[in-house]
Amino acid sequence: NAGVTQTPKFRILKIGQSMTLQCTQDMNHNYMYWYRQDPGMGLKLIYYSVGAGITDKGEVPNGYNVSRSTTEDFPLRLELAAPSQTSVYFCASRETSGRGTGELFFGEGSRLTVL
Amino acid sequence: GESVGLHLPTLSVQEGDNSIINCAYSNSASDYFIWYKQESGKGPQFIIDIRSNMDKRQGQRVTVLLNKTVKHLSLQIAATQPGDSAVYFCAENMRALTFGSGTRLQVQP
Repeated sequence: NAGVTQTPKFRILKIGQSMTLQCTQDMNHNYMYWYRQDPGMGLKLIYYSVGAGITDKGEVPNGYNVSRSTTEDFPLRLELAAPSQTSVYFCASRETSGRGTGELFFGEGSRLTVL
Repeated sequence: GESVGLHLPTLSVQEGDNSIINCAYSNSASDYFIWYKQESGKGPQFIIDIRSNMDKRQGQRVTVLLNKTVKHLSLQIAATQPGDSAVYFCAENMRALTFGSGTRLQVQP
């Protein structure tokens, strides 16, 4: 198993540009998450999904959109990039649903810079 | 809102010593906690977890202690090694993980 795979690993955007961060997992996990991590900080939840066709907002959803058409894929879309979105983005997945169960498996991260 | 946080931003220890990393949480309904290790340039990796019906859980060289009375969590690393140098996060596992800002552990040779 490859686990959680994110692409691209690095990207520089100009203000106002759009892009999609790709995330795919081959573990047949139902739950998937997008986090952002600013320098020296913890991870903030952007969006998450409990299964194909279902998505929900996290702590910091503004400026982002997601979709979950398949169990494997959970892309994150930035429509109008802003400097405040400069960050490292992590995708993660989890096997089980509900509280108190399931380890999160993280991708290696996507480093985005908006200039 | 309620949050999970850490007491110290940086902890420096000598190789071979024991390390203790602390974490405070404020959500009294939290019933499951996880410690993650994040090395530079990588995603977080699971270390150990604990449920609220436990006070202590041990793994290989690591022990997590939970004090629900004061809403405090700690991670103890025995015989700290240079490979333990990383940022450590505690996280509260509800519908999604809520992370603290992390503690950087520096191991001096």
